Amino acid sequence: GQQVMQIPQYQHVQEGEDFTTYCNSSTTLSNIQWYKQRPGGHPVFLIQLVKSGEVKKQKRLTFQFGEAKKNSSLHITATQTTDVGTYFCAGNYGGATNKLIFGTGTLLAVQP
Amino acid sequence: EPEVTQTPSHQVTQMGQEVILRCVPISNHLYFYWYRQILGQKVEFLVSFYNNEISEKSEIFDDQFSVERPDGSNFTLKIRSTKLEDSAMYFCASSEQAGANYGYTFGSGTRLTVV
Repeated sequence: GQQVMQIPQYQHVQEGEDFTTYCNSSTTLSNIQWYKQRPGGHPVFLIQLVKSGEVKKQKRLTFQFGEAKKNSSLHITATQTTDVGTYFCAGNYGGATNKLIFGTGTLLAVQP
Repeated sequence: EPEVTQTPSHQVTQMGQEVILRCVPISNHLYFYWYRQILGQKVEFLVSFYNNEISEKSEIFDDQFSVERPDGSNFTLKIRSTKLEDSAMYFCASSEQAGANYGYTFGSGTRLTVV
């Protein structure tokens, strides 16, 4: 079936360091979304990527969608303590239902 | 900012009992979803709902589960006979439309504990 994997599972950084999480789908995606879940919270939509090779930026966050539309990455420059949480990619494989398959997530811890 | 509202925030139930989890999606959204997250694990798709019927469901969503939209605002998930392994955080979500351009808005979740 459709699976979405993320690495690493956990990353601990010092505040100010950069962070990257990688997302890989077993099959080609229609689009990919990224969500952030704070500890004890719910997933919050960050962004969606649709086009092959697309790159989008939100302040210190850079999102990329691979050329083959099977992988994606999220890079955070100069992490802050407010970046703490689990980052999930979520793949959409097309079709009218808009079902998302969530990745395994990367938990980011930031030490001040 | 519009929110998806879920009640209760926490429910404890005896194994074998029925539970109903409630959600009020964003009013102009057309697609509704239930997901669950076992503690520390990923967010798993249960079911999607559109135009008053189930669009798609996962293997997890067996005969013990059902969804309803009894009126114009509420969207409920019923588990008929709860099992210990049903203990999880259940999230309701809605999206404005299907297709490539719409993120989901998640509710704050209901933590279900089956004892």
